[in-house]
Amino acid sequence: EAQVTQNPRYLITVTGKKLTVTCSQNMNHEYMSWYRQDPGLGLRQIYYSMNVEVTDKGDVPEGYKVSRKEKRNFPLILESPSPNQTSLYFCASTPGRGYPYEQYFGPGTRLTVT
Amino acid sequence: AQKVTQAQTEISVVEKEDVTLDCVYETRDTTYYLFWYKQPPSGELVFLIRRNSFDEQNEISGRYSWNFQKSTSSFNFTITASQVVDSAVYFCALSETNYGQNFVFGPGTRLSVLP
Repeated sequence: EAQVTQNPRYLITVTGKKLTVTCSQNMNHEYMSWYRQDPGLGLRQIYYSMNVEVTDKGDVPEGYKVSRKEKRNFPLILESPSPNQTSLYFCASTPGRGYPYEQYFGPGTRLTVT
Repeated sequence: AQKVTQAQTEISVVEKEDVTLDCVYETRDTTYYLFWYKQPPSGELVFLIRRNSFDEQNEISGRYSWNFQKSTSSFNFTITASQVVDSAVYFCALSETNYGQNFVFGPGTRLSVLP
């Protein structure tokens, strides 16, 4: 089944404790993105990646890191989480130029930082 | 910079009523893509429709219809004969590329359909 998976789905952590949220897609998509969803703000793009080793900042990159060492994986790293990073996070992948344009979203990761 | 406005924060209707969700966008590009997503209470994002800027044809899919008007920069979504299962948050989104970069969402409209 074609899908985007994220782990963990729920995470409660404390301020300053490094964490990684994994994202993997099995569709051989070129493009991948991370978003955070906050009430009243919709989803905002954190980072995106156009291919292996190619990443760029979205609208709200502060406090986050990403890496794209393999085409299928795009982990989101919070090196020193803070309470204002409490949010619902979505990973997404897109086939690439020349294909019907649709973003495939993962199921979401709800993060709470205390 | 691109922007998507969904002025209706919350809407409540009674089952079988028609409801229209408004979406107004801003972009300087002549080529862009508009989307609608549904987020039910379970939290996942469900793709509903994509529309290219050069295709102004309105679309109907069952009880759902979309009205794209470039002249007013609007891409409104109508649900006919609403059902309780339509209760969700609906997001309008805009992209100036066709690969996920600079994908901007509106703040969403929470629709409650009451039995």
